[in-house]
Amino acid sequence: AQKITQTQPGMFVQEKEAVTLDCTYDTSDPSYGLFWYKQPSSGEMIFLIYQGSYDQQNATEGRYSLNFQKARKSANLVISASQLGDSAMYFCAMRGGYSSASKIIFGSGTRLSIRP
Amino acid sequence: NAGVTQTPKFQVLKTGQSMTLQCAQDMNHEYMSWYRQDPGMGLRLIHYSVGAGITDQGEVPNGYNVSRSTTEDFPLRLLSAAPSQTSVYFCASSYSRTGAGELFFGEGSRLTVL
Repeated sequence: AQKITQTQPGMFVQEKEAVTLDCTYDTSDPSYGLFWYKQPSSGEMIFLIYQGSYDQQNATEGRYSLNFQKARKSANLVISASQLGDSAMYFCAMRGGYSSASKIIFGSGTRLSIRP
Repeated sequence: NAGVTQTPKFQVLKTGQSMTLQCAQDMNHEYMSWYRQDPGMGLRLIHYSVGAGITDQGEVPNGYNVSRSTTEDFPLRLLSAAPSQTSVYFCASSYSRTGAGELFFGEGSRLTVL
């Protein structure tokens, strides 16, 4: 069975500092994908970054990078030079492979607050 | 660009009533899914579909039915509403059933069951 765990319910970070949001996962599929989404207080879900299990390099998208450690089954999101607008809920998600019929499940989220 | 459209955005029901949350996407996406979001619980998968005529249960399917008669539409039916179904419901779609096809979300439907 698939499982996603986010152990940080909330974090406070000073503006312009880097921040790492933790995500660990469990799956028996050899092929899977990992996603991060942002949910501002307005409620919409915003896709940030994707990492495939066979990708050789860690994914990066602007200020977002994914620290993928396959042996540890972790997929942490790193935000460089945080901004006030980064304050939001962040969700890690996983899509399994054939045995999981491609469903996408989410972790419980981390609320990130950026201090000016 | 409509994307994923959910209706209604707000609904109040009494215990035992039934209703349908509508979801339509205009992107020809294969994969569609319904999630509920409760405070502190993240998004939990209710049902999903990998194509017309194909549906499957997610993590919390009890009390909900779905069908997928067309590629575009994926309605979620509450058969007999209960207060425990008070939540925000999100419909989401993806162009692919595998790999890097990220989910595109609707704006959410806030349901209150009294």
